[in-house]
Amino acid sequence: SQQGEEDPQALSIQEGENATMNCSYKTSINNLQWYRQNSGRGLVHLILIRSNEREKHSGRLRVTLDTSKKSSSLLITASRAADTASYFCATVDSGGSNYKLTFGKGTLLTVNP
Amino acid sequence: IAGITQAPTSQILAAGRRMTLRCTQDMRHNAMYWYRQDLGLGLRLIHYSNTAGTTGKGEVPDGYSVSRANTDDFPLTLASAVPSQTSVYFCASSAGQGAYTEAFFGQGTRLTVV
Repeated sequence: SQQGEEDPQALSIQEGENATMNCSYKTSINNLQWYRQNSGRGLVHLILIRSNEREKHSGRLRVTLDTSKKSSSLLITASRAADTASYFCATVDSGGSNYKLTFGKGTLLTVNP
Repeated sequence: IAGITQAPTSQILAAGRRMTLRCTQDMRHNAMYWYRQDLGLGLRLIHYSNTAGTTGKGEVPDGYSVSRANTDDFPLTLASAVPSQTSVYFCASSAGQGAYTEAFFGQGTRLTVV
């Protein structure tokens, strides 16, 4: 079964606003990653946060991780029309040597100009 | 810089036919993955390989097989295609040096089984 579940499934905002997407997962993880997918394209890695980290920044992206709640959030600040895409969280389970990435169903973000 | 290449980009296939989706990476990554993406279901892992010579089953392996004869290539074979295998297939790779590595994705193969 899929590990991550993003919320909301779809989000529509105006350019300049902030966008927040959430991800919940089920098992203990080694790390959590966020990916972006433009329509008809492959996924592109955005940011990785380790299980012992609580917050991470990269440009306009801010990711938080709460392992006690098994949840993560992705904040995109000052959104642009070019940020329109689907965003996926993915987890790597802790333990073992299998570095499988398990994805959620994604959030479709639409940024209106 | 090629990165990871999938072929073909799209294919229409008659049910019952055999089909191999090709995936090649030039980054010398240890780990490779095959996912299928279906509307409303996100990405689901079909098979993976942590290193050349080894493979493992993912979430939805039935009807698919893989091989990893060398580091660069990770073909996915549908032995006898069925309409439920209509999907977009993505190949990915990661360095696999520990768990803290990102995955790089190909552009996908859109497969329609009729």
